[in-house]
Amino acid sequence: KQEVTQIPAALSVPEGENLVLNCSFTDSAIYNLQWFRQDPGKGLTSLLLIQSSQREQTSGRLNASLDKSSGRSTLYIAASQPGDSATYLCAVDSGGYQKVTFGTGTKLQVIP
Amino acid sequence: DTAVSQTPKYLVTQMGNDKSIKCEQNLGHDTMYWYKQDSKKFLKIMFSYNNKELIINETVPNRFSPKSPDKAHLNLHINSLELGDSAVYFCASSRGQGAHTGELFFGEGSRLTVL
Repeated sequence: KQEVTQIPAALSVPEGENLVLNCSFTDSAIYNLQWFRQDPGKGLTSLLLIQSSQREQTSGRLNASLDKSSGRSTLYIAASQPGDSATYLCAVDSGGYQKVTFGTGTKLQVIP
Repeated sequence: DTAVSQTPKYLVTQMGNDKSIKCEQNLGHDTMYWYKQDSKKFLKIMFSYNNKELIINETVPNRFSPKSPDKAHLNLHINSLELGDSAVYFCASSRGQGAHTGELFFGEGSRLTVL
C-alpha cells in the first residue's frame, strides 16, 4: 500500500527566499507524481505533473524533481512571494486502476 | 469558465437528512472522482467513474451513492447523514489513461456540516 509523506508539515520563510518542499513515497513503482497548491477554503490547483520517466518539470519559479529509486520528489520555489502562501500537496499515482495517494501537505507561509 | 464546478459550496444540515452535491466538468475528460478531505486536511478518494461506469468504490458506506448521468457530470447523494460525514467533498476529473489517472483537476469543494 502506497504511503506518501510530506515534511515539514509547516514552513515559514521570509519573502525572497528560495525554498524546497519534500515528498516521500514508499512504493517506487509509480506512474506519475503531481504537485498541487491549496488556498484556504479553495480547491486544489495543479502546479506540475511529472511522469515516471521524467526527472524534473519546470513552470515559472517552480521546479519539481523526481527520484523514483529513492522514493522522493522535491518542489523548489525560487524567490518566494507572499502570494505563494498556501498548502502544498503531492499526489502519487501508483496504478491500481486510477487510484492516487495524497500526501499530508506542507503549509507554507511567506512573510513580507 | 470554471473547468470543474460543484454545488453547493456550503451545506449545513441535520443528522438523518439526505443531501446531494452536484459536479460538472467542461474539460471533455473521461473520468471523474469524488474525494473527501477530513478535518486534518487529508484527502482520500471515495469514487471514480470512467465514462459513466463506477471504477473505484473505496470502502465508502452505502449511504453514499454516486450518480453519473453522462461523462460530464458526477453527483453525490448521501442518505441518513451522520456527524462523521462532516467534511469537505471535492469533485475532480482527469483524462484517464488506461489504469492510470493523468493530471487531476479539482473543483472548489463543498463543505458539508452535519449538526
